[in-house]
Amino acid sequence: AQSVTQPDIHITVSEGASLELRCNYSYGATPYLFWYVQSPGQGLQLLLKYFSGDTLVQGIKGFEAEFKRSQSSFNLRKPSVHWSDAAEYFCAVGRHGSGNTGKLIFGQGTTLQVKP
Amino acid sequence: SQTIHQWPATLVQPVGSPLSLECTVEGTSNPNLYWYRQAAGRGLQLLFYSVGIGQISSEVPQNLSASRPQDRQFILSSKKLLLSDSGFYLCAWSVGQKNEKLFFGSGTQLSVL
Repeated sequence: AQSVTQPDIHITVSEGASLELRCNYSYGATPYLFWYVQSPGQGLQLLLKYFSGDTLVQGIKGFEAEFKRSQSSFNLRKPSVHWSDAAEYFCAVGRHGSGNTGKLIFGQGTTLQVKP
Repeated sequence: SQTIHQWPATLVQPVGSPLSLECTVEGTSNPNLYWYRQAAGRGLQLLFYSVGIGQISSEVPQNLSASRPQDRQFILSSKKLLLSDSGFYLCAWSVGQKNEKLFFGSGTQLSVL
């Protein structure tokens, strides 16, 4: 069965420090991979997505993610974290079957806290 | 531009009471519509999706139902709420046949007491 694992429930980094949020997936074929960010009390906003091609994907707000098939990973990175990046981050994988878009499987989320 | 409206933002309901959450999309036609739930401390779970008017698919067995009376309207309902129905409910839409991006509403925080 398809699944997504975000091993870190909570991460704290200092403002200006680099960030890496981990995501591992289990999927029987080439996955479609996404990272979403959820600010407190708000819906989700897409940061970036991977469908095919270049395995290093650039997103909004200075985020990037790298698809590593051999490790079944899609880790999110940012070179220098800003206080406004404090939020919950979700990794998701797109599901095959039915040709229906949007049927995503989400990880449990990683809460990012940024220290001044 | 496309927008998605979801209301109410917060809702407190007693156990056994009915529920109706509404979601509408503007600026697009024939969207795929979704209801997700985020339980406390957990990730998002797909509850229902719809590819057209009157077409509803349920992903997990539960106490909830969904309806799509109009192309851009998606309603989540329950006849009798359970404590376990508490959570953050998100409506989302997408277009196309590939796994393109989802656009999420701002969500409804439902507390069943």
